[in-house]
Amino acid sequence: GDSVTQMEGPVTLSEEAFLTINCTYTATGYPSLFWYVQYPGEGLQLLLKATKADDKGSNKGFEATYRKETTSFHLEKGSVQVSDSAVYFCALSKLAGNQFYFGTGTSLTVIP
Amino acid sequence: DTGVSQNPRHKITKRGQNVTFRCDPISEHNRLYWYRQTLGQGPEFLTYFQNEAQLEKSRLLSDRFSAERPKGSFSTLEIQRTEQGDSAMYLCASSASGSTDTQYFGPGTRLTVL
Repeated sequence: GDSVTQMEGPVTLSEEAFLTINCTYTATGYPSLFWYVQYPGEGLQLLLKATKADDKGSNKGFEATYRKETTSFHLEKGSVQVSDSAVYFCALSKLAGNQFYFGTGTSLTVIP
Repeated sequence: DTGVSQNPRHKITKRGQNVTFRCDPISEHNRLYWYRQTLGQGPEFLTYFQNEAQLEKSRLLSDRFSAERPKGSFSTLEIQRTEQGDSAMYLCASSASGSTDTQYFGPGTRLTVL
């Protein structure tokens, strides 16, 4: 069945370090791919998305490229800030958009 | 656009009691979803409405769970005879049909069953 696998955390980085959170997926057809972020005490917020192969989603300095050949959608940021501390979820949905499949989440802590 | 709202934000109940949660989606969204999230896990799909019709239900949704969306606007999720294993965060999301699938999430209702 359809699923998402993302790297386990927690991840701890110093401010201004480079961030990569790996995400790979298994799906039939052509899913859309998403990264959601959950800040402490808040609901999930859409961070970025890509709807077809080779698309790059970007927002707030974060980027992820939809790689069909490697079935991956890795999240990257060149220089993290303390305010980026949160849990990051990779997700996919089919074109019908009826449900999302989420990864287990990766907790990121950025220290000054 | 005031976002997706959920009430209550927290609910503590005793085992065996019934609980009901409410979700108000973004007003122009005709699709509404319920998810359950346990600690350290991603959200798991429970059920999905398009307008007032419940179109999909997960196998996770036992017969103690029922969801409604009577007028195609707000939705309720009821859990009967709660069990300790029902303790989780219950998330609601909405989206607009014809969009590129983006779902917008509410803040969730945290249920604790004692």
